[in-house]
Amino acid sequence: AQTVTQSQPEMSVQEAETVTLSCTYDTSESNYYLFWYKQPPSRQMILVIRQEAYKQQNATENRFSVNFQKAAKSFSLKISDSQLGDTAMYFCAFMKPGSGNTGKLIFGQGTTLQVKP
Amino acid sequence: DAGVIQSPRHEVTEMGQEVTLRCKPISGHNSLFWYRQTMMRGLELLIYFNNNVPIDDSGMPEDRFSAKMPNASFSTLKIQPSEPRDSAVYFCASTQWTGGDQPQHFGDGTRLSIL
Repeated sequence: AQTVTQSQPEMSVQEAETVTLSCTYDTSESNYYLFWYKQPPSRQMILVIRQEAYKQQNATENRFSVNFQKAAKSFSLKISDSQLGDTAMYFCAFMKPGSGNTGKLIFGQGTTLQVKP
Repeated sequence: DAGVIQSPRHEVTEMGQEVTLRCKPISGHNSLFWYRQTMMRGLELLIYFNNNVPIDDSGMPEDRFSAKMPNASFSTLKIQPSEPRDSAVYFCASTQWTGGDQPQHFGDGTRLSIL
């Protein structure tokens, strides 16, 4: 069974600095998808970024980028130029493709990020 | 476009009462997921549907929990009887599943408090 582990329950960063959130996963699959979701205090779950395992190029969305290390089963999220609005809980999630899985996500425990002014 | 719509946004009720949470997925989406979020357990998948059919309900904690999806545009999660330990935020999410990396779109959640 697949598992997702986020080993940092809480982190903090100064505004305008860069922070990296860690995520590791366990799977025997060769292709799969990885996601980062953000949950601000308003409790909405917002998709931040996604990565397909077959793509070697790391995904980037504006200030958000990932460092995907397939052999190490690592999928970290880097937030550059941190802003106060980035304060949120961040969830890493794994999806196994294929018709038998219907989009089911396996989530990590979450990392609470506090951006300080 | 309208997102996933959940109701109510907040629910406070007494122990033993029946609770019904509602979800309207995004139009055209074929998979629907119910999650529960607590401080202790994090985000748990309770049950999910594909084309209105329950695929996996192994996350449903007890027989007191039940979920239905009578049509493509509506789903309910019912707790009967409710207990204080059911207090949590319940999320509904939907996706247009075609085998690829389609992300799940979440509703704003229902905060349930059982007194």
